[in-house]
Amino acid sequence: DVKVTQSSRYLVKRTGEKVFLECVQDMDHENMFWYRQDPGLGLRLIYFSYDVKMKEKGDIPEGYSVSREKKERFSLILESASTNQTSMYLCASSGQAQYFGPGTRLTVT
Amino acid sequence: AQSVTQPDIHITVSEGASLELRCNYSYGATPYLFWYVQSPGQGLQLLLKYFSGDTLVQGIKGFEAEFKRSQSSFNLRKPSVHWSDAAEYFCAVSSGGYQKVTFGTGTKLQVIP
Repeated sequence: DVKVTQSSRYLVKRTGEKVFLECVQDMDHENMFWYRQDPGLGLRLIYFSYDVKMKEKGDIPEGYSVSREKKERFSLILESASTNQTSMYLCASSGQAQYFGPGTRLTVT
Repeated sequence: AQSVTQPDIHITVSEGASLELRCNYSYGATPYLFWYVQSPGQGLQLLLKYFSGDTLVQGIKGFEAEFKRSQSSFNLRKPSVHWSDAAEYFCAVSSGGYQKVTFGTGTKLQVIP
């Protein structure tokens, strides 16, 4: 069975903190993606990676960075969290279709 | 650029009734098409996908979808809805396997007794 896990289901952080969201897949997929989901805006692509140590900007990369040191792990980093980054963050891993993790609900206060 | 339109933001059906959720896509060549379902507070689960071949695709949980090239549509159907089908449904398109996917804005399904 396909398995994508995310490090936290719920996270509360303060403005200005550095935040790490981790995603792990066990399907040996090369492609991994980070999205944020907000009511009325749907899913928006933040960053994606086609291989280890490779990354590409998605549609809304500002305020975020990523790290892919190992094939199975793709981390999203908020260098200095802000309240407008309060959102649901979804990680996906891709073969011919994208498979999603359960999501991390991040609140920045 | 590829795009997806789900014209219905919210749909309400009675339990046991049939369901059809609409999806229209824009893409120049033959698209790869997907339907996902999301329960509240959860990630997205793949219901079914179309890459090529038979235009009627069967998925999990009793869902099916039909690819109609002439109408640029990929509508999702279920003959008899169960209360547990209440969720949000997303249609998506990509240019090929392993490529970026564009998602629609979703249709929320409410099921009433």
